Amino acid sequence: GAVVSQHPSRVICKSGTSVKIECRSLDFQATTMFWYRQFPKQSLMLMATSNEGSKATYEQGVEKDKFLINHASLTLSTLTVTSAHPEDSSFYICSAESISGGGTDTQYFGPGTRLTVL
Amino acid sequence: GENVEQHPSTLSVQEGDSAVIKCTYSDSASNYFPWYKQELGKRPQLIIDIRSNVGEKKDQRIAVTLNKTAKHFSLHITETQPEDSAVYFCAAHLYSGNTPPVFGKGTRLSVIA
Repeated sequence: GAVVSQHPSRVICKSGTSVKIECRSLDFQATTMFWYRQFPKQSLMLMATSNEGSKATYEQGVEKDKFLINHASLTLSTLTVTSAHPEDSSFYICSAESISGGGTDTQYFGPGTRLTVL
Repeated sequence: GENVEQHPSTLSVQEGDSAVIKCTYSDSASNYFPWYKQELGKRPQLIIDIRSNVGEKKDQRIAVTLNKTAKHFSLHITETQPEDSAVYFCAAHLYSGNTPPVFGKGTRLSVIA
């Protein structure tokens, strides 16, 4: 199946710094990628939809100036957590849909990034 | 918008028994229903999916059933094994491109050896 990578897998940073997370589709092109946040023992919470070549669509309650999303190419989307604070500590997961689709809407998830803000 | 309810939130079964997880959805336009398995600290993995033009789908020990009229779908795992222990998420969405799935809150399945 399709492969989505995420980097870094784990990051620890000081409060006030910015952290960039990359999501790459390795063997397919993705016009759309989704960014999720997952707290311990909870479900996936959609943060935003990243569209190649256009602005991301943010879910209600998600600050677009704090969580910057850039979908620079058909294989790469980045999420930058700006001025991170301890409450931003979470597991961030991206997912991507294949551009050809093949008639499916299968979400291929990245392995996730565990962010810890001290 | 779509709303997905998932039950139960936790489920414990003896090894070899069956496990059933149920989800309901609100938007009758949804036509694609995947199930994901997530082990601790890992990414969700698609285990089975079903489209609205099909009532049932089976893959070895895993099956999914869909009742479009009642707007609910279920995951069935037979002959459970300890390695089936994980969190399972259902999802529902409309196949139209660019629309994200709406996830249920998850079911933590524990298979007791």
